[in-house]
Amino acid sequence: GDSVTQMEGPVTLSEEAFLTINCTYTATGYPSLFWYVQYPGEGLQLLLKATKADDKGSNKGFEATYRKETTSFHLEKGSVQVSDSAVYFCALSDSGGGADGLTFGKGTHLIIQP
Amino acid sequence: GAVVSQHPSRVICKSGTSVKIECRSLDFQATTMFWYRQFPKKSLMLMATSNEGSKATYEQGVEKDKFLINHASLTLSTLTVTSAHPEDSSFYICSAGGQGARVAFFGQGTRLTVV
Repeated sequence: GDSVTQMEGPVTLSEEAFLTINCTYTATGYPSLFWYVQYPGEGLQLLLKATKADDKGSNKGFEATYRKETTSFHLEKGSVQVSDSAVYFCALSDSGGGADGLTFGKGTHLIIQP
Repeated sequence: GAVVSQHPSRVICKSGTSVKIECRSLDFQATTMFWYRQFPKKSLMLMATSNEGSKATYEQGVEKDKFLINHASLTLSTLTVTSAHPEDSSFYICSAGGQGARVAFFGQGTRLTVV
């Protein structure tokens, strides 16, 4: 079956540091890939997505590139801020984002210190 | 890690009937549960947030009379799709978090098909 593996936290960084959160996946088909973010006390929000190989999703300074050869979708940001403190979930959908469900990683808790 | 069980995983129902989806936290007390829906070819959409013992908070555009959410205990929340129509066919997923929990745990999801 499909699965998503992401680094578990908490990950603690200082403000303005470079961020990488690793995510790798296994899928039977050709999935779409997502990063979701959950701020304290709130529900999930879509951060970025990519639907085909070599696509780069980007939003709010975050980027992730769909690497089919390494089955990875690592999340990066060049300079993090305290407001980026949240839980980040990598996810895949094995039907191009259709109503066939999402498989989530376990989430990475990111803490940014001033 | 904590386990959230969602049931059923798949359901097919006739138009006009109601369907109940359960979300259970098996090994922790979930003070907050979130219900999401995934539309075809789109990403997840938050429908509502429920806190144990109080009324759910619905997101804008979600019909509270159609999608009834009950969170009567610290381990169970239910979503009832009332008078279902084919356009309600979708993938519904819940997540649960304990008090002060920094991470939410997801159910397996429910694929609803209304015929």
